[in-house]
Amino acid sequence: QVQLVQSGSELRSPGASVKVSCKTYGYTFTIYSINWLRQAPGQGLEWMGWINPNTGNPTYAQDFAGRFVFSLDTSVATAYLQINNLRTEDTAVYYCARDALVIRFDNWGQGTLVTVAS
Amino acid sequence: QSVLTQPPSVSAAPGQRVTISCSGSTSNIGNSYVSWYQQLPGTAPKLLIYDNDKRPSGIPDRFSGSKSGTSATLGITGLQPGDEADYYCGTWDTSLTAGGVFGGGTKLTVL
Repeated sequence: QVQLVQSGSELRSPGASVKVSCKTYGYTFTIYSINWLRQAPGQGLEWMGWINPNTGNPTYAQDFAGRFVFSLDTSVATAYLQINNLRTEDTAVYYCARDALVIRFDNWGQGTLVTVAS
Repeated sequence: QSVLTQPPSVSAAPGQRVTISCSGSTSNIGNSYVSWYQQLPGTAPKLLIYDNDKRPSGIPDRFSGSKSGTSATLGITGLQPGDEADYYCGTWDTSLTAGGVFGGGTKLTVL
């Protein structure tokens, strides 16, 4: 069955970088886009953007252009989120989600907690 | 401040019916399909409703969705204790900052 499995929790210092992986199983990786979403502690969902699995072209939401980088490795059906120059306010759970059409997220990763603290 | 507006909380007794509203504008709900997600405590969101009113396989028909103009509604009948969760609406916004947008979430308490 379809599964998205994310890498484990991360603890980083301000200014560092982190790379979160999202390995997919059970479907043809190049058919569905992968979206990334953020959920800060006690807060709602924020859409960060998506990456085209055929071209590798990323699209970022306005608030996530600059320090956030989406990438793919189609050979292992895995998507990645890298966050550079981490800030304490980046502390959140980050989710990858498969998009069946447009904002129809039919399968989600389990989430990766990124904690930024000195 | 979320682009879509949901009530912060709703509550009802087991067996009752509850509705959760989601208000937007012509640049989002008014011109795009709406999806609804259920997030149980400590877990990832799960797709409940897509394309305004369709249920994925495995979602019971106690859950329903509708859309009218720039608002959408999630309905849950026959409330069960296991329905206690946060519920989010989401859609695509076609304004200058085009992208996915969500409501702030509604906490459902089953009394």
